[in-house]
Amino acid sequence: EDKVVQSPLSLVVHEGDTVTLNCSYEVTNFRSLLWYKQEKKAPTFLFMLTSSGIEKKSGRLSSILDKKELFSILNITATQTGDSAVYLCAVDVTGANNLFFGTGTRLTVIP
Amino acid sequence: DTGVSQDPRHKITKRGQNVTFRCDPISEHNRLYWYRQTLGQGPEFLTYFQNEAQLEKSRLLSDRFSAERPKGSFSTLEIQRTEQGDSAMYLCASSLLGQKETQYFGPGTRLLVL
Repeated sequence: EDKVVQSPLSLVVHEGDTVTLNCSYEVTNFRSLLWYKQEKKAPTFLFMLTSSGIEKKSGRLSSILDKKELFSILNITATQTGDSAVYLCAVDVTGANNLFFGTGTRLTVIP
Repeated sequence: DTGVSQDPRHKITKRGQNVTFRCDPISEHNRLYWYRQTLGQGPEFLTYFQNEAQLEKSRLLSDRFSAERPKGSFSTLEIQRTEQGDSAMYLCASSLLGQKETQYFGPGTRLLVL
């Protein structure tokens, strides 16, 4: 059975800290890995990763994929209170019609 | 706003009642997905449509659940004889054909069954 595991489940940091969120997966026919940010409503897309070792970056957020070790990390530097959210990792597999989501990491940034 | 919209945003119902939710996808998107998300969990796939055809249903979709997309545009998800375990956020997403990795999510309908 395809599985996506995120850690930690929750994290509390102070503004300005750097955080690393982890996502590991065990799937057949891996196609891509996606990161979403979910505040109180719809998940919003952050990154899609298909190749190992290539960092994707957007402002203070960056992510990288390791297809040999089957994991990805999402880094957030100089965290702000607006970064508080649930960060979801999802995997797209060939032959499936849906995305497989992990349980998410709840990040809380306190001033 | 040309994103995915869902209605209602919140629904409180008593156990045993039927409820229906609506999703309006991005207009040019052929694919429409329904997911369920319970507290502390990631979204779990329920079903998906390609145009008006319902092509896959997960085993989470019991026979009390039915979904339609009659004209290949908006979709409805009905839950009959609701149970407390149905309480969750129901998310709709849409994508272009061949781009299921780029799904745009709606704001969700939060259902509470008392």
